[in-house]
Amino acid sequence: QQPVQSPQAVILREGEDAVINCSSSKALYSVHWYRQKHGEAPVFLMILLKGGEQKGHDKISASFNEKKQQSSLYLTASQLSYSGTYFCGTETAGNMLTFGGGTRLMVKP
Amino acid sequence: NAGVTQTPKFQVLKTGQSMTLQCAQDMNHEYMSWYRQDPGMGLRLIHYSVGAGITDQGEVPNGYNVSRSTTEDFPLRLLSAAPSQTSVYFCASSPTDSNQPQHFGDGTRLSIL
Repeated sequence: QQPVQSPQAVILREGEDAVINCSSSKALYSVHWYRQKHGEAPVFLMILLKGGEQKGHDKISASFNEKKQQSSLYLTASQLSYSGTYFCGTETAGNMLTFGGGTRLMVKP
Repeated sequence: NAGVTQTPKFQVLKTGQSMTLQCAQDMNHEYMSWYRQDPGMGLRLIHYSVGAGITDQGEVPNGYNVSRSTTEDFPLRLLSAAPSQTSVYFCASSPTDSNQPQHFGDGTRLSIL
């Protein structure tokens, strides 16, 4: 079963912050985050493993609450280059990596 | 580095035709997978493989076959194309299992008339 992402779409001004949520009804082994620009392949952002860790890369960070089977992606001081569709991927038992429906993020000047 | 190479990039088929989408990676990755992405939608897992000779079904396997005779190649076969299979198909690979960053190919845009 695919994870559920929210919100489905976000419009920001440059410099504003955003949070994208990802939740699953199944126990998770890991959570992946990817960004896809229109007409391109998804690009890897980060992976979070079991243990409730939090990761960060520049102004993009994420958390993973394995007890709640939820992950959140935090985009701080957004830039125009952050525009795109963000996907969370969740790994459950059996090595299957399934993706959510995506969150469309548009950053305006 | 070539990474993950998908061919063809574009293809138009008629209903009932069969074809094979090719995927090759030169990174010696054990894990490979196929996804389809319908317009404005997320990625849905079709089939995946954890190594040569091993394949398994994903979320939407009906109408597709795969085989993994070598580590490098993971072709996806459409048995009898249907308009509902019009989509963008992405192949991905990672070093050991799905708990690693997935490297995606550029995709194959498939239209079935």
